[in-house]
Amino acid sequence: DTGVSQDPRHKITKRGQNVTFRCDPISEHNRLYWYRQTLGQGPEFLTYFQNEAQLEKSRLLSDRFSAERPKGSFSTLEIQRTEQGDSAMYLCASSLVGGNTEAFFGQGTRLTVV
Amino acid sequence: DAKTTQPTSMDCAEGRAANLPCNHSTISGNEYVYWYRQIHSQGPQYIIHGLKNNETNEMASLIITEDRKSSTLILPHATLRDTAVYYCIVSETGTYKYIFGTGTRLKVLA
Repeated sequence: DTGVSQDPRHKITKRGQNVTFRCDPISEHNRLYWYRQTLGQGPEFLTYFQNEAQLEKSRLLSDRFSAERPKGSFSTLEIQRTEQGDSAMYLCASSLVGGNTEAFFGQGTRLTVV
Repeated sequence: DAKTTQPTSMDCAEGRAANLPCNHSTISGNEYVYWYRQIHSQGPQYIIHGLKNNETNEMASLIITEDRKSSTLILPHATLRDTAVYYCIVSETGTYKYIFGTGTRLKVLA
């Protein structure tokens, strides 16, 4: 296992279209996180899962956004009716639960809405 | 809002030590200090973390003051590949819901 994997790395879509991103965490990690990063800013937390349960959602996660982690392994983040303001880097991270450990990030999916 | 304050940018000569400061005056007893860096267009890369003792690994050293209100990340021999944005984050152990600030943009100069 080489780390957190995200697909695709880049996505260009027209305004109003739906897009879906995939994240494959490190295999033994039971926590999975989604972040969003706009140009010049640090990443912002969106949501996280522990196994298949979505435990927290940021107020940044509007009703056009939905995330799933159906079997507690990979996760998808869908954006419906994309807007130009959704253009950003979407980052996924994973970690073990609790303890003195750290989260590991993927390389991100860069979304451009035109 | 981020619980940390970092300088916006720093320069360091190649081969010299890079010392990146971070203030976290409101840190609570169960919060760790984490450092990540982000090279252009890549995901954040974990560097090191600590609670109250100084920590060292193959990448860097982390010095935390006794009152835990500030810390310094030390890259002992900076190389051009260390040019990146460095984020200092405080987070309760096991949460990983990091609140990133804007970080310090470190430029290593040849």
